[in-house]
Amino acid sequence: EVQLVQSGAEVKKPGESLKISCKGSGSKFGNYWIGWVRQMPGQGLEWMGFIYPGDSDTRYTPSFQGQVTISADKSIRTAYLQWSSLKASDTAMYYCATGTFGVVDSWGQGTLVTVSS
Amino acid sequence: DIQMTQSPSSLSASVGDRVTITCRASQDISNYLAWFQQKPGKAPKSLIFAASSLQSGVPSKFSGSGSGRDFTLTISSLQPEDFATYYCQQYNNYPWTFGQGTKVEIK
Repeated sequence: EVQLVQSGAEVKKPGESLKISCKGSGSKFGNYWIGWVRQMPGQGLEWMGFIYPGDSDTRYTPSFQGQVTISADKSIRTAYLQWSSLKASDTAMYYCATGTFGVVDSWGQGTLVTVSS
Repeated sequence: DIQMTQSPSSLSASVGDRVTITCRASQDISNYLAWFQQKPGKAPKSLIFAASSLQSGVPSKFSGSGSGRDFTLTISSLQPEDFATYYCQQYNNYPWTFGQGTKVEIK
C-alpha cells in the first residue's frame, strides 16, 4: 500500500503562486495514479484531477482545467498541485489520494491553503 | 458529468441503530461506486469499492449494495465512532464525481 504525506499549511495573498506536494512511499508508487481533491470550507469533496507518475499522463476535471497544474516527479515519488495566481476562492483543504483504476486506496492528511489579503 | 445524489443529506440516529444511506447516479455506472467516511478535521477514509467490496481493515458492520443507478450503504449497528459524513463517488466515467454527502449525527 502507498502511504501519502502532504506538505504543510500555506497562507498566501491573492495573485501569488503556490505549489503543494504529496510524497508517496512504497515500491508501487509509479504504478498508481495520484489525484487531488478539493474541500472548500464546510463543503463536500470535489475531484480536481489525477496523474500517473510513471508516464505523467494527466487528466483534469473540466472545471479545474486551466486553473491548476498537476505534475509529478517519479524519481522522488512526489506529486504536485500548483497555482500561478491564487484567488480568495482557492481557500480550501486539498487532499491527495492514490489508487488503482478508479479505486482510492489511500489518502494524504490534507494541506490547508488560505488565500487572503 | 455524472451527477451523484445522496439521501438523506443528514440523519439523526442512536447508538445501535441500523442506518441506510442511498446514492443515485444520473446514469448507469455499473458497479463503479465507492463509499467514504469523513470525520471533522480529518481526511476521508475509504470504506467500500465496486459497490459492495470492503476495503482492507474496514469492519463488517459496513456493507454496500446496488448496481446501475441505485446504491446503498448500510451500517448494521451504529457506534459512537461511526458518527461522521459519508460520501459516495462514481468512477465509471471521468470526471469522477462525489455525492454531496450525508451527515450522520447522534440523536
